[in-house]
Amino acid sequence: GAGVSQSPRYKVAKRGQDVALRCDPISGHVSLFWYQQALGQGPEFLTYFQNEAQLDKSGLPSDRFFAERPEGSVSTLKIQRTQQEDSAVYLCASSQRGGTEAFFGQGTRLTVV
Amino acid sequence: GESVGLHLPTLSVQEGDNSIINCAYSNSASDYFIWYKQESGKGPQFIIDIRSNMDKRQGQRVTVLLNKTVKHLSLQIAATQPGDSAVYFCAEATPPQKLVFGQGTRLTINP
Repeated sequence: GAGVSQSPRYKVAKRGQDVALRCDPISGHVSLFWYQQALGQGPEFLTYFQNEAQLDKSGLPSDRFFAERPEGSVSTLKIQRTQQEDSAVYLCASSQRGGTEAFFGQGTRLTVV
Repeated sequence: GESVGLHLPTLSVQEGDNSIINCAYSNSASDYFIWYKQESGKGPQFIIDIRSNMDKRQGQRVTVLLNKTVKHLSLQIAATQPGDSAVYFCAEATPPQKLVFGQGTRLTINP
């Protein structure tokens, strides 16, 4: 596809369940970012990859959050033992090497019940 | 800590009028700023950016102004259209593109 693709679009999880969110960046984009957006708030940085290397994970809120990008393209954000405060939209963005414009996907809305 | 914020959470304008959305930032070392538009159910969409060595940049119907003296950023949208209704975020980028977003301003275009 031409843009960043995220799946699923919506996910409902029972508290304590593990979830996995997928991001397909724009082909050829070296940089990949995950953001968390709570209702009515701006997105907040979670983690950053350059190719397969996770260079910054300072925004991950706890050790229940884990992200990977093993082959430098598709990325997965995993949340273990979900809690209600994890409910948010999770956005993925990609950009070219040295590029200044980040392209965002539509996000995955996670609701923990 | 560092933050990027907006002066007004909501703004309503008449269709065809110009709108101005404001943003304040606190990190004086920031050298790159971006405005994003986010429609309901969608991810943020890039509108326009500006580097700290500039004070004005124009795009199609949009203009971004940067005042480094007072650490203020604004987005001007000319001749607003119904499709301009959305939430607008300013963001500060730190290398290599880590974005710090403000809370957002909801722009409503009245017919």
